[in-house]
Amino acid sequence: DTAVSQTPKYLVTQMGNDKSIKCEQNLGHDTMYWYKQDSKKFLKIMFSYNNKELIINETVPNRFSPKSPDKAHLNLHINSLELGDSAVYFCASSPHPSSYNEQFFGPGTRLTVL
Amino acid sequence: RKEVEQDPGPFNVPEGATVAFNCTYSNSASQSFFWYRQDCRKEPKLLMSVYSSGNEDGRFTAQLNRASQYISLLIRDSKLSDSATYLCVVTSNDYKLSFGAGTTVTVRA
Repeated sequence: DTAVSQTPKYLVTQMGNDKSIKCEQNLGHDTMYWYKQDSKKFLKIMFSYNNKELIINETVPNRFSPKSPDKAHLNLHINSLELGDSAVYFCASSPHPSSYNEQFFGPGTRLTVL
Repeated sequence: RKEVEQDPGPFNVPEGATVAFNCTYSNSASQSFFWYRQDCRKEPKLLMSVYSSGNEDGRFTAQLNRASQYISLLIRDSKLSDSATYLCVVTSNDYKLSFGAGTTVTVRA
């Protein structure tokens, strides 16, 4: 009965590889997000989808490509991984794309690039 | 200048103490304000929204000062379970949440 789930929880990989992180929410929310939390603990928005449509696309290298097959899923694919991609990636969801809504976060995926 | 700035702490306080800290934001058009809590190696969770008139939730009190562009959080009668990082979050009208880097609070027995 997890509200926002992510897989995998841990990901260790070599530079240059391509990897994907999956996110699913069972809250019936319309909006989903990807955040990156670096070693300095800053959480930064990367992307947001509302009902499968991209509504936020921050300055993120185009090696990062989100995909939303339906409004309950938002996956993140990363090509040609670099050392600087090492971070914790959090998926989140909210009922609507409103500034006033609470966001519900998944448990995070800890990515380590060697 | 960062959009949201917080004193990183750590604030080390004994159980039962009161601890308070602020967060400043740079965008005067910011619309909504929150405090989230993040435990070590866990995801952030909403602690409370911050309303213009200030609001209380049990031992937690949040205040907003739009003129000086800061919000504050006060924790009364600290418990060991209050040990966490408190994230200040500010949004404007573009749906994006801007997070501070967090203030770490450690409550000791």
